[in-house]
Amino acid sequence: DVKVTQSSRYLVKRTGEKVFLECVQDMDHENMFWYRQDPGLGLRLIYFSYDVKMKEKGDIPEGYSVSREKKERFSLILESASTNQTSMYLCASRTGGSDEQFFGPGTRLTVL
Amino acid sequence: QKEVEQNSGPLSVPEGAIASLNCTYSDRVSQSFFWYRQYSGKSPELIMSIYSNGDKEDGRFTAQLNKASQYVSLLIRDSQPSDSATYLCAVNDLDTGKLIFGQGTTLQVKP
Repeated sequence: DVKVTQSSRYLVKRTGEKVFLECVQDMDHENMFWYRQDPGLGLRLIYFSYDVKMKEKGDIPEGYSVSREKKERFSLILESASTNQTSMYLCASRTGGSDEQFFGPGTRLTVL
Repeated sequence: QKEVEQNSGPLSVPEGAIASLNCTYSDRVSQSFFWYRQYSGKSPELIMSIYSNGDKEDGRFTAQLNKASQYVSLLIRDSQPSDSATYLCAVNDLDTGKLIFGQGTTLQVKP
């Protein structure tokens, strides 16, 4: 079974803090994704990575950055957290030969 | 703008009935279609993938794909209260390699 893990299920941060969200997958998948999910707005892609050291902007990259130094790990960074970044953050991964994405459990981030 | 559309619901069905969830998509060249189930407060779980026209069955779930009409549906037979969740339809975008998700349909199965 594919296993995607995220570092925290719940996180509370203050405005202006730098926030790191970690995602790890154990299936040697090439591609990894970060989404946020908000009521009424659905799933929105923030960033994705096709391979180590590679990153591509998704639909809403503003205010975020990412890092992929190792194949199994994809980090999402909020450089200076703001209240409008309060959301559910979901990491997903897939093998390069398939479109099937597998999601981690999600991190519910609250920025006060 | 490529889109995937679903009726948000809620779709309410009695226990034991067939639940029918529908999804339409705008990109005629899409090749891969997925259904995810998402329980409240949890992450999406992949439950069905379909790539060819016709039906694909897996237990109580049947996915149906009609590329000519650009719709994909999910049938859940013998619905159970544990099937109550939001069901997300996703379609691949060949140009970008990304998945485009619908907003989801909320299903309520009443005992």
